[in-house]
Amino acid sequence: SQQGEEDPQALSIQEGENATMNCSYKTSINNLQWYRQNSGRGLVHLILIRSNEREKHSGRLRVTLDTSKKSSSLLITASRAADTASYFCATDGNNYGQNFVFGPGTRLSVLP
Amino acid sequence: KAGVTQTPRYLIKTRGQQVTLSCSPISGHRSVSWYQQTPGQGLQFLFEYFSETQRNKGNFPGRFSGRQFSNSRSEMNVSTLELGDSALYLCASSVGDIGGYTFGSGTRLTVV
Repeated sequence: SQQGEEDPQALSIQEGENATMNCSYKTSINNLQWYRQNSGRGLVHLILIRSNEREKHSGRLRVTLDTSKKSSSLLITASRAADTASYFCATDGNNYGQNFVFGPGTRLSVLP
Repeated sequence: KAGVTQTPRYLIKTRGQQVTLSCSPISGHRSVSWYQQTPGQGLQFLFEYFSETQRNKGNFPGRFSGRQFSNSRSEMNVSTLELGDSALYLCASSVGDIGGYTFGSGTRLTVV
């Protein structure tokens, strides 16, 4: 089964609203990452949060990590139509090397 | 600097054939990972190469293989293609053990 599970599977909001996506995972991790994928294209790395960090910001993105609950959230503030994409969390499962397990993703639609 | 380059972008093959996909990582990146993305299974880790050595391997049959050259370029090969191998194959590179991936745009493989 997937290490990371995003919730919700799909989200539709109006431009200007905030979008929150959640990710839960099963095993201990060194870090958790969030990626964006526009339809049929490669993934774009958004942010990495280490297991000893609780919150991280990058522009309009805010990521939180709660290792006690094995969960993370991605908040996109003041969303734009260009934010329409699928968002994935990825965990390293405390493994050695670059071997990440991706969740099934949240499909975000931002309506103009 | 140049991103991760995957060739070809699109490929159509017949069942039973074999295929080789190529990935050129970002200059200086020594780790190259491969993922398969399908609508049903999502993103699944295939393998990771670091300094010409396979460092991690996912749960794929032996028909899937890869290698990395001294210049960090990587190839993956799929032999005896099956219809279920139709997918977007993504290559990602990173500097080393910690940090996010930079993904290529992928190779869309269709097996008919």
